[in-house]
Amino acid sequence: GAVVSQHPSRVICKSGTSVKIECRSLDFQATTMFWYRQFPKKSLMLMATSNEGSKATYEQGVEKDKFLINHASLTLSTLTVTSAHPEDSSFYICSATLGGANIQYFGAGTRLSVL
Amino acid sequence: AQSVTQLGSHVSVSEGALVLLRCNYSSSVPPYLFWYVQYPNQGLQLLLKYTSAATLVKGINGFEAEFKKSETSFHLTKPSAHMSDAAEYFCAVLVGNRDDKIIFGKGTRLHILP
Repeated sequence: GAVVSQHPSRVICKSGTSVKIECRSLDFQATTMFWYRQFPKKSLMLMATSNEGSKATYEQGVEKDKFLINHASLTLSTLTVTSAHPEDSSFYICSATLGGANIQYFGAGTRLSVL
Repeated sequence: AQSVTQLGSHVSVSEGALVLLRCNYSSSVPPYLFWYVQYPNQGLQLLLKYTSAATLVKGINGFEAEFKKSETSFHLTKPSAHMSDAAEYFCAVLVGNRDDKIIFGKGTRLHILP
C-alpha cells in the first residue's frame, strides 16, 4: 500500500523556537496532504488542507501565521510551528491522498514537546 | 452538517469475546463513513469504509461494520477479540462542500482482558 513518512517522530524544543515537521509520500504523488493535531486522549482535529503549489486552507481557529504549511512538491509537505510555546505540545499527524479525502494514507505522527 | 458520535470512550472485552464499538452519524446526504485504528504513538490505519455500496462492509483484521440508515449507525464489530486489537478506534465521516475532508469522532479505546 501507499506509504507516508513523517519526520521527525519526536522533537523536544525550547519555548520560542521554531520546529519543522516533514510529511513525504514515498511511493505516490500526493496532490493533497492534510495536517492534524491530536491532543492527549482526544480525537484528531484537522488543522489545514495543503494542495501542491497553492496556499493551504486552514480550518477555523487555526492560526496560519503560527502553523506555516508549505507544499512545494507532489511528495513533500512541511508544517512549521513558529515560536513554539508549551501549549503547542501535541501529537501532529499528516496524511496524503492519491485523490480525494476518502483515500488518505497517514504518517506515523510527530510528538512535539515544548519546554 | 455531517458528524459522527462514538458512544463510549472506553470499551473492555475479554479475549475471544465479541467486540462492538458504536458509532452514530448525522448527515443530510448519503454519507461516506470510515473506521480507523490507531496504535500507541502511531498514525492511523484504515480498517474499512462505507461508500454507499454494500451495507455490510468487511475490513482488515477480521473487523466489519454495518451501515444502518434507519438507525443512523455504523457500528464496528469483530466476532472474537485478540490481544493485538487493543488500540484506539475512530469513526469518521467525509464532509465538506466537495467531500474534501474527513471529520473524526472522539475515539474509543478498546481494552482486551486476558
